[in-house]
Amino acid sequence: GENVEQHPSTLSVQEGDSAVIKCTYSDSASNYFPWYKQELGKRPQLIIDIRSNVGEKKDQRIAVTLNKTAKHFSLHITETQPEDSAVYFCAAGNQAGTALIFGKGTTLSVSS
Amino acid sequence: GAGVSQTPSNKVTEKGKYVELRCDPISGHTALYWYRQSLGQGPEFLIYFQGTGAADDSGLPNDRFFAVRPEGSVSTLKIQRTERGDSAVYLCASSLSGFEQYFGPGTRLTVT
Repeated sequence: GENVEQHPSTLSVQEGDSAVIKCTYSDSASNYFPWYKQELGKRPQLIIDIRSNVGEKKDQRIAVTLNKTAKHFSLHITETQPEDSAVYFCAAGNQAGTALIFGKGTTLSVSS
Repeated sequence: GAGVSQTPSNKVTEKGKYVELRCDPISGHTALYWYRQSLGQGPEFLIYFQGTGAADDSGLPNDRFFAVRPEGSVSTLKIQRTERGDSAVYLCASSLSGFEQYFGPGTRLTVT
């Protein structure tokens, strides 16, 4: 089955810096890659996603890149703010309606 | 509009007891998912419904776990003979497209 590895497990940056979180997946059939942000005690919130027919997607300060050949995808956050502090999860799915397989999460801390 | 809701928000039960956890998906979402999240981990898939039927129950850990969605909307996750290892946050998600999954706030289950 699919396996998703995520790193780093923790990331500390200064406000205004960029943050990059990387994930690798094992199943070449996977074609959907969402990212979720989870604040302490809250629900996972979908922040951006990418499908395998594109290599990059941007939404304001966040972007996701996908390399299907290498089977890895990354989340990029620019101009980080303290409110970006949370746990970020990557996930992979292989068709509409199937289960998402999640990474173990990255705890991002942005200090002002 | 209203998001995914789950009740109760917290449930404490004794080992061996039966519990039911409820999920109300976003109106019109035909796909519904149950996940379980342990401390420091990403959500782990349990079961997926498309309409009233369970399309994939491969994530249910054993036959003590069962879920229903009789009218294609509200779903109930049922756990028999609870064990301490069942303690976790149980998350429900719904989807219209089968790709973007939107999570509820979860039910924190504690088995004493």
